[in-house]
Amino acid sequence: DTAVSQTPKYLVTQMGNDKSIKCEQNLGHDTMYWYKQDSKKFLKIMFSYNNKELIINETVPNRFSPKSPDKAHLNLHINSLELGDSAVYFCASSPPTNTGELFFGEGSRLTVL
Amino acid sequence: SQKIEQNSEALNIQEGKTATLTCNYTNYSPAYLQWYRQDPGRGPVFLLLIRENEKEKRKERLKVTFDTTLKQSLFHITASQPADSATYLCALAPKGGGADGLTFGKGTHLIIQP
Repeated sequence: DTAVSQTPKYLVTQMGNDKSIKCEQNLGHDTMYWYKQDSKKFLKIMFSYNNKELIINETVPNRFSPKSPDKAHLNLHINSLELGDSAVYFCASSPPTNTGELFFGEGSRLTVL
Repeated sequence: SQKIEQNSEALNIQEGKTATLTCNYTNYSPAYLQWYRQDPGRGPVFLLLIRENEKEKRKERLKVTFDTTLKQSLFHITASQPADSATYLCALAPKGGGADGLTFGKGTHLIIQP
């Protein structure tokens, strides 16, 4: 059973379109995250959700919006896609400890043409 | 500003030898440091955590050291195998931050040659 699963794995779309990436975790964790890994391989946090409350938003454009229907799901919606949005987006979750090890999904590679 | 540096070049090691990867940081006082492994096309996988008051941690063939004076962590893989080839990321967390404040390095690409 996959602990953190995200779909789709690949997404190719045109500039200006709106797209979503879905994420689900079956680990019972309270906190979920979205990370962006760009072409230079830097992994940067975008959002985290704890019990359906947004607790981090790292200066991400408001075209990006996380939506969490319940604590097992955190979806990422992106409006008006731009070329610079092309990257791999990772969903992750963490257990309620103060050591914060992250459990990542397999990633969703977004290509904006 | 906070900065984490890992060897940006690929590290080539002969099978059976010990691979040593470096993670240096500046302008940071981490509560703990984590190491992750990332394979191509996959998500990072957590390997080890070491706290600021710990000097060394081991797990099977893996060993991590943490020197808060030098602001450096070393990650060792002993008796390396081709299957150990991957990118290894270090991540630092501020005091009291938990996973919310994790900052990742760019990673070191390790190649174990048979």
